[in-house]
Amino acid sequence: EAQVTQNPRYLITVTGKKLTVTCSQNMNHEYMSWYRQDPGLGLRQIYYSMNVEVTDKGDVPEGYKVSRKEKRNFPLILESPSPNQTSLYFCASSTQTGGYGYTFGSGTRLTVV
Amino acid sequence: AQSVTQLGSHVSVSEGALVLLRCNYSSSVPPYLFWYVQYPNQGLQLLLKYTSAATLVKGINGFEAEFKKSETSFHLTKPSAHMSDAAEYFCAVSDVNQGGKLIFGQGTELSVKP
Repeated sequence: EAQVTQNPRYLITVTGKKLTVTCSQNMNHEYMSWYRQDPGLGLRQIYYSMNVEVTDKGDVPEGYKVSRKEKRNFPLILESPSPNQTSLYFCASSTQTGGYGYTFGSGTRLTVV
Repeated sequence: AQSVTQLGSHVSVSEGALVLLRCNYSSSVPPYLFWYVQYPNQGLQLLLKYTSAATLVKGINGFEAEFKKSETSFHLTKPSAHMSDAAEYFCAVSDVNQGGKLIFGQGTELSVKP
């Protein structure tokens, strides 16, 4: 089954404790992206990657890191999480052109206390 | 820059009534447009997409949308609402100048009354 898999689904952590949210897709998509969803703000792009070893900032990259060492994986790293990073995070992938839309993962609900 | 505006953060309809969710976009080039649905505690699911073929696009679950270039609109409709349609709906445009980045509207929460 074609899918984007995120882990974990739920995570509660403390301020400053490094964490990684994993994302993997099995569709051989070139394009991958991370979004965060907050009430009243909709979905905002954090980082994206157009292919292996090619990443770029989205609209809200502060406090996040990403890497794209393999085509299928695109982990999101929070080096020192803060409470304002409490949010619902989605990973998504697409073909290069974007004309087919994205396939989204099921989301990771992160709470930073 | 491209943008998307969804009119109405909450829409309530009765079961069996017409569903109309409004979306307007701004784009300097012919856009790719999408509607996504998000059910509670789930990810986003693609409902339908416009990619410069037919202007009337049919999607899943009986939804359809019409691309109107003159009005820069891509409104989502369904003739008869069902209780299971209650969800949040997002309109999005693909920014081809940024590798297909999806720019989302703020979302419209649809409630369906029995």
